[in-house]
Amino acid sequence: ETGVTQTPRHLVMGMTNKKSLKCEQHLGHNAMYWYKQSAKKPLELMFVYSLEERVENNSVPSRFSPECPNSSHLFLHLHTLQPEDSALYLCASSQGQGTYEQYFGPGTRLTVT
Amino acid sequence: GENVEQHPSTLSVQEGDSAVIKCTYSDSASNYFPWYKQELGKGPQLIIDIRSNVGEKKDQRIAVTLNKTAKHFSLHITETQPEDSAVYFCAASEANTPLVFGKGTRLSVIA
Repeated sequence: ETGVTQTPRHLVMGMTNKKSLKCEQHLGHNAMYWYKQSAKKPLELMFVYSLEERVENNSVPSRFSPECPNSSHLFLHLHTLQPEDSALYLCASSQGQGTYEQYFGPGTRLTVT
Repeated sequence: GENVEQHPSTLSVQEGDSAVIKCTYSDSASNYFPWYKQELGKGPQLIIDIRSNVGEKKDQRIAVTLNKTAKHFSLHITETQPEDSAVYFCAASEANTPLVFGKGTRLSVIA
């Protein structure tokens, strides 16, 4: 247990569906992250939130929409995804940005059909 | 921005042998270099890190070395065991910037 939980662990969705991934951290951290992990790009940073403000968005398609309602929770809202979006989505948190250890959740395995 | 290259992409060693994974980085401002281990079905987990004010750090069978002049750092695992089999990621960053990860090394320890 890393103190970061993610739900669901597995998700299968059609291209027209709307779903959300949830991440919760119990560590009192100020920064939270979404990563996409696939065979082509093993750890691809998608979004960074620091003190609930989005500080980084690495040119992610608008079909992915993050939400950080408070410092403990992070969501990734998904709509009209493509099959190439199938991947493992990892959430992480850290005390601050940059030179702090990141704690990762176990990930959500997403399959888009 | 920062770019981190990691080699090799796969590595097989006999149990008891040593394993070495190397990374290079491009941004001389980077001053934090962690290594993460990812086991099957889990997220990456920090195993050791080094900051630019030191050249080497050890923790039991694991050591990391840093050469700031050459902009490379390495992970050394001695006396490898089957439970060391995993994917290892190096990363680099400076204050207030996100970690930039290498592409990972899949280590297999053969009993």
